[in-house]
Amino acid sequence: LAKTTQPISMDSYEGQEVNITCSHNNIATNDYITWYQQFPSQGPRFIIQGYKTKVTNEVASLFIPADRKSSTLSLPRVSLSDTAVYYCLVGIRYGQNFVFGPGTRLSVLP
Amino acid sequence: DTGVSQNPRHKITKRGQNVTFRCDPISEHNRLYWYRQTLGQGPEFLTYFQNEAQLEKSRLLSDRFSAERPKGSFSTLEIQRTEQGDSAMYLCASSEKEMGGVSAGQETQYFGPGTRLLVL
Repeated sequence: LAKTTQPISMDSYEGQEVNITCSHNNIATNDYITWYQQFPSQGPRFIIQGYKTKVTNEVASLFIPADRKSSTLSLPRVSLSDTAVYYCLVGIRYGQNFVFGPGTRLSVLP
Repeated sequence: DTGVSQNPRHKITKRGQNVTFRCDPISEHNRLYWYRQTLGQGPEFLTYFQNEAQLEKSRLLSDRFSAERPKGSFSTLEIQRTEQGDSAMYLCASSEKEMGGVSAGQETQYFGPGTRLLVL
């Protein structure tokens, strides 16, 4: 199971682009990379998932370099409502390998 | 709203009492998960069901904890003889089994709002 490392916290201002990088040096060949967002007193919410290169949806973009040893979640033009904890998960299989680390606590300031 | 629902949202109990939480997954999802989350930490896996079969249990799940999913639909998590260390948010999630096999990480779990338990 690939271990992930991400910053504990980040601050940003409204309207800025935020990039959160996750390191996963021992990612396996078949592993996907998934990001979840969690607001206080709510369950985590799926944001985006990718395997390689770039994935974009209406919420975020996910950049994955060729060696796949890291990934970057990019949130364009953040607002106050993007203040949350963001979790990077790698090598998820169903069951108890669905492992959340402490995540990155993003604070968006006015 | 057809998302995952959990009841109750909040529960306060005294040490030694039993508590039961309920989770209603998204209707077409056959996998159901329970997690526990304490302040400042990510969710920790407790157990998971494929339909009515409980397939995995974490070593975090002591013998005071039991989970059921009798008809493969809703699930209950019971904690007997609660302890103050059981105070946490209990999260339920559901997912749909991918057809044709699942590569690592392709499954997406949908979480409920959680039940916050406080043991006094």
